[in-house]
Amino acid sequence: EIVLTQSPATLSLSPGERATLSCRASQSVSSYLAWYQQKPGQAPRLLIYDASNRATGIPARFSGSGSGTDFTLTISSLEPEDFAVYYCQQRSNWALITFGQGTRLEIK
Amino acid sequence: EVQLVESGGGLVKPGGSLRLSCAASGFTFSSYSMNWVRQAPGKGLEWVSSISSSSSYIYYADSVKGRFTISRDNAKNSLYLQMNSLRAEDTAVYYCARGLGRVSIDYWGQGTLVTVSS
Repeated sequence: EIVLTQSPATLSLSPGERATLSCRASQSVSSYLAWYQQKPGQAPRLLIYDASNRATGIPARFSGSGSGTDFTLTISSLEPEDFAVYYCQQRSNWALITFGQGTRLEIK
Repeated sequence: EVQLVESGGGLVKPGGSLRLSCAASGFTFSSYSMNWVRQAPGKGLEWVSSISSSSSYIYYADSVKGRFTISRDNAKNSLYLQMNSLRAEDTAVYYCARGLGRVSIDYWGQGTLVTVSS
């Protein structure tokens, strides 16, 4: 089973700053990786699919990069509504979807 | 507008059964794979099961294999999850979610809470 490890567990930043979130896979997942945002009491929202493609309606300040085992979600300039929990997810094997444990982005 | 509305959650005793339903609207249901994803209280996301658009391919997480059954009725635009032999560790909010391509999940319902407790 492919394990996704996200770092850091918690990231404390201020609005306007740049956020860099990491997701590392225990083996290559090619570009079969997505990123989600989840706010308290809400369902997750798809941000990035296939490692680097923004989902419909997602602001340009969100970008994804990487392939193989190392991936990054970057938020170029944090807005107040961006403070949430972020998950990466892979499906290199059709029969198995796994999520990372999440990174909590909090206001400093 | 894409809408996914789950129902059927509730309180059930260990060893009991529950059937979750998901009513889909706003898109051609029969063209998309569908998923169930759960989230235990205060925890992260855990994939449960996936079903292809025509039900030809069905996959389960090891944690539910042999106990849960996913199915769909394209004529009724509905997705189901039959959960048997429920355990305390199955307690979670269960989300119905639409697949996007091979990897991603692009629309999620608001979830239904399943609590397994005596």
